[in-house]
Amino acid sequence: AQSVAQPEDQVNVAEGNPLTVKCTYSVSGNPYLFWYVQYPNRGLQFLLKYITGDNLVKGSYGFEAEFNKSQTSFHLKKPSALVSDSALYFCAVRDMIGSGNTGKLIFGQGTTLQVKP
Amino acid sequence: DSGVTQTPKHLITATGQRVTLRCSPRSGDLSVYWYQQSLDQGLQFLIQYYNGEERAKGNILERFSAQQFPDLHSELNLSSLELGDSALYFCASSDIRGNTGELFFGEGSRLTVL
Repeated sequence: AQSVAQPEDQVNVAEGNPLTVKCTYSVSGNPYLFWYVQYPNRGLQFLLKYITGDNLVKGSYGFEAEFNKSQTSFHLKKPSALVSDSALYFCAVRDMIGSGNTGKLIFGQGTTLQVKP
Repeated sequence: DSGVTQTPKHLITATGQRVTLRCSPRSGDLSVYWYQQSLDQGLQFLIQYYNGEERAKGNILERFSAQQFPDLHSELNLSSLELGDSALYFCASSDIRGNTGELFFGEGSRLTVL
């Protein structure tokens, strides 16, 4: 079955420092991978996706993610963290099996990012 | 603003009751997905509709049902509510004809069962 794992419940980083939020995936075939962010009492906002092509994907708000096929990882990164980046981050993979490509996403458990001033 | 509208934003009800959550997808999106977010279970996929027909089913309880209407809005019906049904319910929509698209999420409906 398709799945993603986010090994860290929480990541703490100081403002101005680089941040990494980890995600590993398990899929059959080529993965379609996504990152979303959720601010308190809000819905999920799309940040970026990897479908094919360059392994480094750039997204919204200065975030980027690196696809690594050999390590089956898709880590989210930002060169310089902001306090306003503090939120819950979800990695997701598109479900490509079962009844075919339904488009639904399977989400990881989420990682809380805390950026301290 | 994702373009996906969910109502109500908050709902408080008692055990045993029935509620209906409503979702209007983005203009032009034919596919609607329902997810449940709870503290212990994370984001769980419940069900998907595409142009009025059920497309995929996830961990949806038999007490829950959904439908998508001709105008493409969708409703999620939750009945015989239990305390454990308290959660944030999200609707998302997409244009899956593109085959690679992300889902666009509404702000969610927070259900509290007392």
